Amino acid sequence: AQKVTQAQTEISVVEKEDVTLDCVYETRDTTYYLFWYKQPPSGELVFLIRRNSFDEQNEISGRYSWNFQKSTSSFNFTITASQVVDSAVYFCALSDPGQGGSEKLVFGKGTKLTVNP
Amino acid sequence: DTGVSQDPRHKITKRGQNVTFRCDPISEHNRLYWYRQTLGQGPEFLTYFQNEAQLEKSRLLSDRFSAERPKGSFSTLEIQRTEQGDSAMYLCASSLVGEGYYGYTFGSGTRLTVV
Repeated sequence: AQKVTQAQTEISVVEKEDVTLDCVYETRDTTYYLFWYKQPPSGELVFLIRRNSFDEQNEISGRYSWNFQKSTSSFNFTITASQVVDSAVYFCALSDPGQGGSEKLVFGKGTKLTVNP
Repeated sequence: DTGVSQDPRHKITKRGQNVTFRCDPISEHNRLYWYRQTLGQGPEFLTYFQNEAQLEKSRLLSDRFSAERPKGSFSTLEIQRTEQGDSAMYLCASSLVGEGYYGYTFGSGTRLTVV
């Protein structure tokens, strides 16, 4: 069964610090997708990135970067020079084909990031 | 296209009452998913539809829960005889079969509080 572990429940940093959010996943599938979502206090899930299992290139988008390592089953997320607006709960998720290829997602429990001014 | 819409955004109900939520997916998306997110947890899969057919239900979906997608467009999720444990955010997502997870889009959710 698919499983996502986000061991860090809460992280608190001071503005401009770099912060890395960890994500470890378990799957027997050879083809799968990994995601990161941001959930601000308003509650909506904001899509950040999707990665498929065949693409191990790291990705950078502005202050955000992602490190995908199949060897350690990890998909970590780094925010460089954090800002107060980055305060949110961040979820890592893994694709789950389910019954008949349902393409549902399995989420970790999330990491609550607080960036203090 | 305005994305996935959910209504209402918030619902407060008394224990034992029935509630119904609505989800309008992205118009061309033929798959629609319901997830539930309780406080301090990540979203958990409840059920999904492909067109009007409900193809999978999670064990989380007790007999008090029923979901429909009558014409393969919008969907409703009804909870009968609500309990305090039903308090959660109910999220809807939609996607297009054959695109894998590209275009997998969530709505803003309906936050249910049972008092």
